[in-house]
Amino acid sequence: KQEVTQIPAALSVPEGENLVLNCSFTDSAIYNLQWFRQDPGKGLTSLLLIQSSQREQTSGRLNASLDKSSGRSTLYIAASQPGDSATYLCAVSSTGNQFYFGTGTSLTVIP
Amino acid sequence: GAVVSQHPSWVICKSGTSVKIECRSLDFQATTMFWYRQFPKQSLMLMATSNEGSKATYEQGVEKDKFLINHASLTLSTLTVTSAHPEDSSFYICSARGGASSPLHFGNGTRLTVT
Repeated sequence: KQEVTQIPAALSVPEGENLVLNCSFTDSAIYNLQWFRQDPGKGLTSLLLIQSSQREQTSGRLNASLDKSSGRSTLYIAASQPGDSATYLCAVSSTGNQFYFGTGTSLTVIP
Repeated sequence: GAVVSQHPSWVICKSGTSVKIECRSLDFQATTMFWYRQFPKQSLMLMATSNEGSKATYEQGVEKDKFLINHASLTLSTLTVTSAHPEDSSFYICSARGGASSPLHFGNGTRLTVT
């Protein structure tokens, strides 16, 4: 069974700082990987989707990379803002149908 | 972008009653929908996967007779919590996608409180 780990569990940074969130998975035979953010009491908002054949995806200040062989993905957030404060989750799909979620990284950006 | 609407956003019900939660894909056809449960400060726990027109596939430990899932159309799936008990109180979230290579989109969740 695929196991997904996210480190760190919590992160606090001053506004403007660049930061990296990490996601690791045990089975490298993945179909795709997706990053989400979740605000308290809300559902998940999709940030970036990386197919297994891709190395990275970018959207605005966000850049996600994928290294299947090492079982790792990183989410890079540039010039962090207080509005980026949320829990960030990565989800790995091994078959295109079943998704395995990490436990998330709780990010706080201090004004 | 793709939108998934989940309704209601919160519900309070008495023990023994049933509650239905709806999940709709508003601007795309969802071949597959997923239902999750989330406990405070924990990640999502997949309850079941439903494909349009077929029976849902439940994860181990999830009672299919208690959590009834119907995916009658390509834009609507429902989760009915039958004979709810206080331990069923939780945050339920649905997600949907158009195909295996498509992004997964989530509803805003339903906070269920059983008194």
